[in-house]
Amino acid sequence: DIQVTQSPSTLSASVGDRVTITCRASQSIGDYLAWYQQKPGKAPKLLIYKASNLESGVPSSFSGSGSGTEFTLTISGLQPDDFATYYCQQYDTHSTFGQGTKVEIK
Amino acid sequence: QLQLQESGPGLVKPSETLSLICSISGDSITSRDHYWGWIRQPPGKGLEWIGSIFYSGNTYYNPSLKSRVTMSVDTPKNQFSLRLSSVTAADAGFYYCAVKRGYRYGVGGPFDFWGQGTLVSVSS
Repeated sequence: DIQVTQSPSTLSASVGDRVTITCRASQSIGDYLAWYQQKPGKAPKLLIYKASNLESGVPSSFSGSGSGTEFTLTISGLQPDDFATYYCQQYDTHSTFGQGTKVEIK
Repeated sequence: QLQLQESGPGLVKPSETLSLICSISGDSITSRDHYWGWIRQPPGKGLEWIGSIFYSGNTYYNPSLKSRVTMSVDTPKNQFSLRLSSVTAADAGFYYCAVKRGYRYGVGGPFDFWGQGTLVSVSS
């Protein structure tokens, strides 16, 4: 099974900050990686697919990069609405989610 | 407008079978570029893909759950379902149905639309 390790588990930041979340896969997954945002009591929302493709309607302040085993999600200019938990997901072979990164207010 | 609605018992006894249905409105379960999935989340914890199904009935399960999972499609009712047998407390949590639309690679994702989720507790 492909394992996915996400870091950090918690990130404290301020409005306007640039934040980066990392996801590492236990073996190469090409670019078959997605990023989701989840707010309390809500279903996850797809932000990015195929490592760097922005889902329709998602602000351009979100960007993704990487391939193979290392990937990053960057939020440039953190907005109040961006404080949430973020998950990566590999879908190269079946599917595995990372453990999540909670972005909280500093 | 697409809507996915999970339904089923909110309480299941240990060793029994959890059964959930996802009702689809605003889209067709027979769409040839859609994969329909189930994902779960214990309260306060992370996400776990359970499995995905294509309208033809082809199924793809998480290897760690495969021996206990059955997914099926009900085309006339525009629904798909999940059955998870021999449940324990570890199976409690929120269960989401979701869909991957479009000719993107992958059967286990990326899921671009999700239901609101349903909470399942396991207790005698």
